[in-house]
Order: sequence, then structure tokens, then C-alpha cells
Amino acid sequence: NAGVTQTPKFQVLKTGQSMTLQCAQDMNHNSMYWYRQDPGMGLRLIYYSASEGTTDKGEVPNGYNVSRLNKREFSLRLESAAPSQTSVYFCASRGLYEQYFGPGTRLTVT
Amino acid sequence: AQSVTQLDSQVPVFEEAPVELRCNYSSSVSVYLFWYVQYPNQGLQLLLKYLSGSTLVKGINGFEAEFNKSQTSFHLRKPSVHISDTAEYFCAVSKNSGGSNYKLTFGKGTLLTVNP
Repeated sequence: NAGVTQTPKFQVLKTGQSMTLQCAQDMNHNSMYWYRQDPGMGLRLIYYSASEGTTDKGEVPNGYNVSRLNKREFSLRLESAAPSQTSVYFCASRGLYEQYFGPGTRLTVT
Repeated sequence: AQSVTQLDSQVPVFEEAPVELRCNYSSSVSVYLFWYVQYPNQGLQLLLKYLSGSTLVKGINGFEAEFNKSQTSFHLRKPSVHISDTAEYFCAVSKNSGGSNYKLTFGKGTLLTVNP
């Protein structure tokens, strides 16, 4: 099992460009999550999907959109990137109690 | 809403010394508690979790944590650390009731640095 995979690993964008971060899990989990990690801030929830076909806002949703494409895949889109969105992005899926994390995408917006 | 406070942002220790990383939480309902570890340039890995029952929880790599309901704490301990334990450690909490979608609230992290 690959667990939770994320692509790309690194990305540099110019202000105003758009991109989609991809996430997939092979553990047959219902719930999936997107977080951002900034120094000294811990992880903050951007969006989550409790099950296929549903999505909800987390703590810091502004500037992002998500799509739960199917049970396996949950993507995060930045429509018009801003320097404040420079961060490391983690996708996670939830098993019975705990969440399992992907390796992260390091995004820089210049 | 829940909140998590990790009382130390950085903890330096020498190899083979004991260590305690402190975590306090706030919640109006019963919770599940977790400790995750993040090695440099990697994702988060679960160390241990408290769901119910015994308040002393053992995890991977020789770590353990004790749930103290009266003090709303969940401190992480290891009796003897190794260089390889150098990492950032995150305490997290979620409601244990249905319908909450088990969203995790994280503390800001504690960077454990083990020196030779």
C-alpha cells in the first residue's frame, strides 16, 4: 500500500497563477483533509471531505477550492495564487480514529 | 471548539536523557488525543493515541503519554532519547462524538533537538 500520495512535491508559482494539488489514498477511507503548515503555526485545516460527494470549509479556506473526485482522490486548487499561500500543504485521510498523512507539497509563490 | 497548547516551542536535550513534551487542551466535550512526529522534510506519523480506558498510553519508538482529565493534559515522555528522535512533535485533539467528522486541532509543535 502506498498510503497517501501527493503530487507535486515542489512547486513555484508567480502571483496570480493557478494550480491544482493532487492527493490520493489507497486505504479505502471515507474522510480526507487538506492542511497547510507554516512555521510556528502547526497545521491548519483548509478543507475536508467527510465522504465522497461532500466537502466543507475548515479553519483557513479563503483562496482555495477543493474537489472530491471519487473516494480515492481529493484535490486542492489555488485559482489565483498569492504570496501568503507560500506554505507546505499536507493531505490526510482518516482511518478508524487517526489520520494518515501524505509527504507534503512545498509551494512557493513569488 | 477545541484548542491545544504546546507549552514549549523548542526542547534541547542530551542523548540518553529523559524528556517530557507538554501538551494541554481545552474542550467542552470528551476528546480523543494524539501525538504525531514529523521528521525533517517528511509528513506526519502517528506516535500514539488516547481513545479511552487506561490513561497511560504507549506508542512507537519507546514514547508514552499520560492523559490527565482533571488537568486537561496529555504530556509525552521518553525515558532515554536518541539522536534519531530529533524531530518536531505535534499534539492534536478531536471530539469523540459522532457527526464531528473527527477534525483534528493541532498544537503549534515542539521541536525536540537531541544533542550528542
